[in-house]
Amino acid sequence: IQMTQSPSSLSASVGERVTITCRASQTISTSLNWYQQKPGKAPKLLIFAASTLQNGVPSRFSGSGSGTDFTLTISSLQPEDFATYHCQQSNSLPYTFGQGTKLGIK
Amino acid sequence: QVQLQESGPGLVKPSQTLSLTCTVSNDSVFSADHYWTWIRQPPGKGLEWIGSVFYSGSTYYNPSLKSRLSTSVDPSKNQFSLSLTSVTAADTAVYYCASAHYYDSSGHYYAYWGQGALVVVSS
Repeated sequence: IQMTQSPSSLSASVGERVTITCRASQTISTSLNWYQQKPGKAPKLLIFAASTLQNGVPSRFSGSGSGTDFTLTISSLQPEDFATYHCQQSNSLPYTFGQGTKLGIK
Repeated sequence: QVQLQESGPGLVKPSQTLSLTCTVSNDSVFSADHYWTWIRQPPGKGLEWIGSVFYSGSTYYNPSLKSRLSTSVDPSKNQFSLSLTSVTAADTAVYYCASAHYYDSSGHYYAYWGQGALVVVSS
């Protein structure tokens, strides 16, 4: 299953609302996870099952979608949110990731 | 807090075998609740799922790597390992080990990750 994220990169300001999209090449129900990765660090789980916030993740992060189309929304960007975001499907083998969306400071 | 740590050579010659070990702390590799996974990231690129191994020894591999890949679990050392044969420059990447946790009958997520190990394939 191919996962396609859009945009590949974007610039935004602190306080802005940001939405990242992930599209699967075939239906994956809600078997979609989102990770945040900062330079030189391992990815960190943000959201699993499309919309469930991982423990300890700020509530400004939210996820939605089912089937083939999913979104990650950050309601009010904070300085620590500038990073690369990856989606990942866990519906069927081989498990696959999107190409990543790099979120930079405007 | 569960911790994972990759270890192994940082430089491997083309055609040779890449071997990495992941040491798990504050958890047991002999667990039926979750399983163990390898993921890699070529420099400047996205993440690629390599394969997974269960405490029972069962494995799932990425078809693109299956013919060259082997993984195993060592409960006595609380480790799991990766072996990738006949490497080329295309295998240069940061290799991560991670724990995979189920949230329902089929879905899973990667909750804990190692810090990553850069492996360069070069003569």
